[in-house]
Amino acid sequence: ILNVEQSPQSLHVQEGDSTNFTCSFPSSNFYALHWYRWETAKSPEALFVMTLNGDEKKKGRISATLNTKEGYSYLYIKGSQPEDSATYLCAPEGYTGGGNKLTFGTGTQLKVEL
Amino acid sequence: DGGITQSPKYLFRKEGQNVTLSCEQNLNHDAMYWYRQDPGQGLRLIYYSQIVNDFQKGDIAEGYSVSREKKESFPLTVTSAQKNPTAFYLCASSPPGISKNIQYFGAGTRLSVL
Repeated sequence: ILNVEQSPQSLHVQEGDSTNFTCSFPSSNFYALHWYRWETAKSPEALFVMTLNGDEKKKGRISATLNTKEGYSYLYIKGSQPEDSATYLCAPEGYTGGGNKLTFGTGTQLKVEL
Repeated sequence: DGGITQSPKYLFRKEGQNVTLSCEQNLNHDAMYWYRQDPGQGLRLIYYSQIVNDFQKGDIAEGYSVSREKKESFPLTVTSAQKNPTAFYLCASSPPGISKNIQYFGAGTRLSVL
């Protein structure tokens, strides 16, 4: 089982603040890095899938970067809004005998306050 | 609407009883997955299936069983051998392809022991 670490575990910010989280993962047997957002009482939803070292993805105010050589990814939220409140999960994708699978971190819980 | 339907939303199990959690998808996805979430832990993979009539054990398969007789359906049975079944269970599916495919999640089933 891969050791996937996310930090911080939780974060409280004020509306308009920018913030970032970290996902660390083993760099071996790496196919891709997935980010998901999980709002309370809803299903997790995919934000990004990144594969290449130095890759950067952006979706509105949310962006992510990837360093496959050192095994980490950053997720940035610019100008946080209350609707950004959610748990953000990262999951490296690796190959097993039965196919590729994701290993999820414990997530960073973000709460944006007015 | 296309999506993944999990039922029931809440389920209670008596000691020594087997219970089955339903997962149905109409996204025409080949791959389906079952995850378990416990407080303070990331989503852990129980079983996954890349194609009909085939499935693989995940990281925590002991005490669980699955079947994949139809592309649309991937039910999970929590057997009496699972001594700590209380958890939140998520089902997911992904489109065909070797890797880098995002997973689409259901709304989950919360299982408790009476």
